[in-house]
Amino acid sequence: DAKTTQPTSMDCAEGRAANLPCNHSTISGNEYVYWYRQIHSQGPQYIIHGLKNNETNEMASLIITEDRKSSTLILPHATLRDTAVYYCIVREGYGGATNKLIFGTGTLLAVQP
Amino acid sequence: GAGVSQSPSNKVTEKGKDVELRCDPISGHTALYWYRQSLGQGLEFLIYFQGNSAPDKSGLPSDRFSAERTGGSVSTLTIQRTQQEDSAVYLCASSPQRGRETQYFGPGTRLLVL
Repeated sequence: DAKTTQPTSMDCAEGRAANLPCNHSTISGNEYVYWYRQIHSQGPQYIIHGLKNNETNEMASLIITEDRKSSTLILPHATLRDTAVYYCIVREGYGGATNKLIFGTGTLLAVQP
Repeated sequence: GAGVSQSPSNKVTEKGKDVELRCDPISGHTALYWYRQSLGQGLEFLIYFQGNSAPDKSGLPSDRFSAERTGGSVSTLTIQRTQQEDSAVYLCASSPQRGRETQYFGPGTRLLVL
């Protein structure tokens, strides 16, 4: 079973920041938080991951709470092409025995014009 | 550069027939994964290959499903005696090393069993 819970769906206005929450209250110390997204009819696409520090790359920012029980993915300026299902996944990091990704149901982000 | 490729992109078959799905991972990636996504469902792990190690087959739903990876590169997922519930998108992913980096997904093969 997935170790994360996410809202089923969210709307965001084009050009605004999209903030997607994720709860992972049972996360353990060696587990990372990964975010992927899946645009309709495509394979999942990696976005970002982190352990405990906030992370930023060209696609998004990841904010992880100090207790690591929740996180937020931020798309700073959402576009229509960001409409997708966003998956928050907890998994072991480097050298871990568990390599598969366990996907939950994700959040359907609909960016509105 | 070239990403993960899968073929065929779509496959329609009759119940009871065997099908083979192919995955070409990114060159140099040693880890390869198969997942499937049924209509309206999340992604479900099927099998994992890492180098010359024995594959992790823990996600295969039945003994009708098998996969091999020849020469540490191309992989084939075989479904024997297909059933209608096998209809799904079958996704392949690869990553550079075991337990490291991200997984890069292919576009998937859409299988429809009539």
